[in-house]
Amino acid sequence: AQSVTQLDSQVPVFEEAPVELRCNYSSSVSVYLFWYVQYPNQGLQLLLKYLSGSTLVKGINGFEAEFNKSQTSFHLRKPSVHISDTAEYFCAVSDGGYSTLTFGKGTMLLVSP
Amino acid sequence: GAGVSQSPRYKVAKRGQDVALRCDPISGHVSLFWYQQALGQGPEFLTYFQNEAQLDKSGLPSDRFFAERPEGSVSTLKIQRTQQEDSAVYLCASSPLGSYGYTFGSGTRLTVV
Repeated sequence: AQSVTQLDSQVPVFEEAPVELRCNYSSSVSVYLFWYVQYPNQGLQLLLKYLSGSTLVKGINGFEAEFNKSQTSFHLRKPSVHISDTAEYFCAVSDGGYSTLTFGKGTMLLVSP
Repeated sequence: GAGVSQSPRYKVAKRGQDVALRCDPISGHVSLFWYQQALGQGPEFLTYFQNEAQLDKSGLPSDRFFAERPEGSVSTLKIQRTQQEDSAVYLCASSPLGSYGYTFGSGTRLTVV
């Protein structure tokens, strides 16, 4: 069974600082990787996805992630965060099939002025 | 519609009561998923439909949970004899067939008292 580990439950950061949210997965087969963002009382919004090809994936709102197969990681980065980036971020993995996703427990990004 | 619509947004049920949660997917989306998100956790897969066919229900936690999509569009998740551990946000998502990174609705927050 697949699993996703998000090592940090909360990441506090100051506005305009860079941030990295960590994600590791366990799977012995080809995987597809995703980052979603969830604002309070809302559903999940897709930030970016890795299906194949270039290991550096660019997403919406200035976020990017790098797929590292040898380290089974898919860390999310942003060079300069805004207050509006405050939200819960979820890493997810799929092994194909019906596109079912296995999610991590989430990382709360707290951006302060 | 423009997005995935779920109703009601909030539902309070007394223990033992039956509830029905509705999902209106994006028009034309073949795939429909239900996920359960407990407080402080990532979403967990419940069931998957391709048109009206329920192809995967491996995530349904007990036989009290039942889902249907009779005409291949609107779906209903029914929970019989609700228990306190059923308290969670229930998320619906839809996508075109074979697409990764589907669109989530805002969810239904179920509280069982």
